[in-house]
Amino acid sequence: AQSVSQHNHHVILSEAASLELGCNYSYGGTVNLFWYVQYPGQHLQLLLKYFSGDPLVKGIKGFEAEFIKSKFSFNLRKPSVQWSDTAEYFCALMFSGGYNKLIFGAGTRLAVHP
Amino acid sequence: ETGVTQSPTHLIKTRGQQVTLRCSSQSGHNTVSWYQQALGQGPQFIFQYYREEENGRGNFPPRFSGLQFPNYSSELNVNALELDDSALYLCASSGTATTPRYEQYFGPGTRLTVT
Repeated sequence: AQSVSQHNHHVILSEAASLELGCNYSYGGTVNLFWYVQYPGQHLQLLLKYFSGDPLVKGIKGFEAEFIKSKFSFNLRKPSVQWSDTAEYFCALMFSGGYNKLIFGAGTRLAVHP
Repeated sequence: ETGVTQSPTHLIKTRGQQVTLRCSSQSGHNTVSWYQQALGQGPQFIFQYYREEENGRGNFPPRFSGLQFPNYSSELNVNALELDDSALYLCASSGTATTPRYEQYFGPGTRLTVT
């Protein structure tokens, strides 16, 4: 069965530190990959998405993610985090023939301290 | 452009009761997906509706059912509530005549507590 694993459940960083959140998926076919963010008190918002082409994808607010097919990974990165990046981050998978349903990881809660 | 809205915001029900949750899709979107997010977990796909028909279903029992109306709004119904049904229920809309259905926009959710 298809699944998504996020390695870190909680991450604590200081402002200006670099961020990398891990995401691995289990599916042998063609995939579409997403990162969603949920800021405190707000609903899920799309950060970035990968469908095909350049494996390095840039999203909103300075985030980027790299799709490495051989490692079944789609890690999220940001060179310098801000306090306003405090949120929960979800990696999600969509596969062909899957009714356009999203399969989410368990999420990573990021806290950025000033 | 109006985003996805859900009602009610919070709901408390007793085990064995039935509940109906509502979702208004973003303007122009023809597809609605429902997800259940238990505490500390990522959202899990319940089912999807496209043009008023169920278009796919996750691993949820038949007591979870839904409807989509001609204006593309949707309802999620859960019968015979169990304690494990306590969760945040998310609705996501997607798809217009010219844009794909895979880019989903989420509503704020309905927090259901079953006691």
